[in-house]
Amino acid sequence: AQKVTQAQTEISVVEKEDVTLDCVYETRDTTYYLFWYKQPPSGELVFLIRRNSFDEQNEISGRYSWNFQKSTSSFNFTITASQVVDSAVYFCALSEAQGGSEKLVFGKGTKLTVNP
Amino acid sequence: EAQVTQNPRYLITVTGKKLTVTCSQNMNHEYMSWYRQDPGLGLRQIYYSMNVEVTDKGDVPEGYKVSRKEKRNFPLILESPSPNQTSLYFCASSPAVGQVYSPLHFGNGTRLTVT
Repeated sequence: AQKVTQAQTEISVVEKEDVTLDCVYETRDTTYYLFWYKQPPSGELVFLIRRNSFDEQNEISGRYSWNFQKSTSSFNFTITASQVVDSAVYFCALSEAQGGSEKLVFGKGTKLTVNP
Repeated sequence: EAQVTQNPRYLITVTGKKLTVTCSQNMNHEYMSWYRQDPGLGLRQIYYSMNVEVTDKGDVPEGYKVSRKEKRNFPLILESPSPNQTSLYFCASSPAVGQVYSPLHFGNGTRLTVT
């Protein structure tokens, strides 16, 4: 069965620090997709990134970067030079080829607080 | 603007009083789903729908009903709400069934309190 573990329940940093949010997943499928969503204090869920199981290339988008390593079943998310606006709960999620996006499984989330 | 719209945003009710949370999407998406979010538990799927008149249970369906009479609407019904259904609820949709790469589009959430 698929499972997503976000071991860090809460992280607190000071503005401009770099921070990495960990995500470890379990799946028996060889084809799957990994996602990150952001939930700011206002409550909505915002899609950040999707990565398929065949593409281990790291991705960078501005201050955000993602490190996908199949060998360790991890899909970690790093925010460089964090800002107060990055304060949010971040969810990692997994969908398998057999289930499609309708079988998306979420981790329990990591609450990030960036202090000024 | 492409969006998933949930109503109401906030709802306080009493045990046993039937309620409906509406969800509507304007993107012609086939797939729709309901999740609940609870502290320490993340998001858990309640029900989902592959298309009109096709619905199925998710991980935590007890105490909930859904219907999909039209493609755009997917209401969540609590026939007899109980305090353990106090939660933050999200409706979501995606373009087509079986597209593993499709990110879900979420509504803004409905915070339900049952006293």
